[in-house]
Amino acid sequence: ETGVTQTPRHLVMGMTNKKSLKCEQHLGHNAMYWYKQSAKKPLELMFVYSLEERVENNSVPSRFSPECPNSSHLFLHLHTLQPEDSALYLCASSQELAVGGGELFFGEGSRLTVL
Amino acid sequence: GENVEQHPSTLSVQEGDSAVIKCTYSDSASNYFPWYKQELGKRPQLIIDIRSNVGEKKDQRIAVTLNKTAKHFSLHITETQPEDSAVYFCAASPSANDYKLSFGAGTTVTVRA
Repeated sequence: ETGVTQTPRHLVMGMTNKKSLKCEQHLGHNAMYWYKQSAKKPLELMFVYSLEERVENNSVPSRFSPECPNSSHLFLHLHTLQPEDSALYLCASSQELAVGGGELFFGEGSRLTVL
Repeated sequence: GENVEQHPSTLSVQEGDSAVIKCTYSDSASNYFPWYKQELGKRPQLIIDIRSNVGEKKDQRIAVTLNKTAKHFSLHITETQPEDSAVYFCAASPSANDYKLSFGAGTTVTVRA
């Protein structure tokens, strides 16, 4: 596998469930990101990790909990979600924290549906 | 914070014609402007970017122009082909000291054969 891989690609969960999204990057990058993509809306930055340390928590509800055990893996733990949380969740990585601009490498996303 | 507006939200063009997407931004300190392309069911991918010290950049059939005074930048696709059909996102980086990108809402481009 090369690039940024996300699993699962599709997830349906009830509001009381607990699930996790996984992201793995095979690029040797040091920064990883979670974005939320909703239809017809801009990509929303949720969390940023640089060298496994969280540097951004963009006013995201606590029902979303990120984890970065090493520079290659990023998780998003989900619990007691709401229907409005249904969206495509994109993971991305960059060589370093993209200060001043730099290319983001995205995964193909995890499509989440909350019933 | 930075606010990026993108227009139009949808664009349909005849194959071979040109497509232009425009974005405006609010923070005059913004200095990095990338464009990402997302084909249906695929990941967003960087197709071109420009920094504030440059007014125009070209890469084969795509070009980006930047007007810092007016705070807008545009993506131009010439001789459009069916494989250009996708959602295009513009973005702006607020300053040389910040890593956060503010994205536009996207433009769905359809190239008619």
